[in-house]
Amino acid sequence: DAGITQSPRHKVTETGTPVTLRCHQTENHRYMYWYRQDPGHGLRLIHYSYGVKDTDKGEVSDGYSVSRSKTEDFLLTLESATSSQTSVYFCAISEPPHHSGGTSSTDTQYFGPGTRLTVL
Amino acid sequence: GNSVTQMEGPVTLSEEAFLTINCTYTATGYPSLFWYVQYPGEGLQLLLKATKADDKGSNKGFEATYRKETTSFHLEKGSVQVSDSAVYFCALSLFALSGSARQLTFGSGTQLTVLP
Repeated sequence: DAGITQSPRHKVTETGTPVTLRCHQTENHRYMYWYRQDPGHGLRLIHYSYGVKDTDKGEVSDGYSVSRSKTEDFLLTLESATSSQTSVYFCAISEPPHHSGGTSSTDTQYFGPGTRLTVL
Repeated sequence: GNSVTQMEGPVTLSEEAFLTINCTYTATGYPSLFWYVQYPGEGLQLLLKATKADDKGSNKGFEATYRKETTSFHLEKGSVQVSDSAVYFCALSLFALSGSARQLTFGSGTQLTVLP
C-alpha cells in the first residue's frame, strides 16, 4: 500500500465553521490531489498540487482552498462549511509520466483511506 | 467533455458466477483507462489499467480490454468470490493539468455483492 494517511478519518461539524483536512504521504510523490465522493457522482477533483506551493483548481473547487508547504503534506480547507460539503474526501498521490523504450507511460494515482465529513 | 458511463448497480451474483461490468467512455483524444476497486470503509485501489487500444489489463483474475472502436473497457472475471464484494469504478485519464498532473474522470461506480 502507498504510504498515504488522512486525518481526521471522521468529522462532524456545524454549518459556518472552518474545517481543515490533512493528507500526509511518505512516498515523496510530486503530485497530490483532493477528491470528493458522492453517491451517483463517482469521485470529482477539487484541487491538486504539482509541487510545493504549486496548486490549481479542479472541477468542483468552489468553497475550498488548499495549501502545500512541504512535499509530504497537502491540506484542504473549507473556510465556512456548508451542508452541501457533506461528503467523503479522498487524497491521492502520483508521480509524473515516464518514458521507456520510446513509449509513454501515464501516471497512476494512489488513494488514501478517506475522511468522512458531516456538516450539520 | 470527457465522461465515463458504467452499468447501473447494484449487481448481486452467486459465488463462482461470471462477472461483467460494462464501462464506456467519451473522450476527445486517446485516454488511459483504469478500473479501481473500493472495499467497505477503505480508499480506492488500482485494480488494472490499459494505456492504449487493444491493451488488456489484468489482475487477481479480473481482465479488461481497451476497445477503441466501441469506446469500451468492460471488466470481467470468470469466477467471482465473496471477497470480491466491493464497489468498482471505471476511470479515464486524458488531459494534462498544470505541471503535467493528470485528472482522473470517474464513472459513478458499480456495487458488487457476491453471495456464498
